[in-house]
Amino acid sequence: QSALTQPPSVSGSPGQSVTISCTGTSSDVGGYNRVSWYQQPPGTAPKVMIFDVNNRPSGVPDRFSGSKSGNAASLTISGLQAEDEAYYYCSSYTSSSTYVFGTGTKVTVL
Amino acid sequence: QVQLVQSGAEVKKPGASVKVSCKASGYTFTSYYMHWLRQAPGQGLEWMGIIFSSGSTSYAQKFQGRVTMTRDTSTSTVYMELSSLSSDDTAVYYCAREPHSGAYYLDYWGQGTLVTVSS
Repeated sequence: QSALTQPPSVSGSPGQSVTISCTGTSSDVGGYNRVSWYQQPPGTAPKVMIFDVNNRPSGVPDRFSGSKSGNAASLTISGLQAEDEAYYYCSSYTSSSTYVFGTGTKVTVL
Repeated sequence: QVQLVQSGAEVKKPGASVKVSCKASGYTFTSYYMHWLRQAPGQGLEWMGIIFSSGSTSYAQKFQGRVTMTRDTSTSTVYMELSSLSSDDTAVYYCAREPHSGAYYLDYWGQGTLVTVSS
């Protein structure tokens, strides 16, 4: 199972919006609405930000939103804040009843 | 509150085995699935496998034959043992809970356990 493809980095100024893409195949992202996104500041454990493509767990700001089209999913952070600077990973359930993660994207707040 | 507390860092020689523990508290241990993942230095997350609420397990093909996940319901602890270690297994290992059966995401994570494989 190959890792899902994410851009290595994205950046934006405070208040701007950034979007992170996550590309898979019909055996993972395209086949299931089971895409989740995790935020990981350096040296800490990941935290779920989005599950089932576009659902936010309690406590996650509504600045975070998710979507999916075909074999690709996206995470958008609107109104970027300094505290959003971290690595972000997408994840998908797969046809093999396993999970695959993305390559990771570093979000930098300029 | 929900907590997952993992065992401390380990240093192992190539060919050895390592067993990492993850003690759960703050919820009904036997009602939830637990996953194990790892993250090599400077790399992304890699899913290793799952232990279901029934106690059965499913492993990523990459680790089949080399990983064993078990649990002790009396202490609310899950274990992940990885054998035939090589330098490629140097990583931070995480346990993480699936919030309900069929949730397909992870809501609580352990703090991570660094396993270093070096001769």
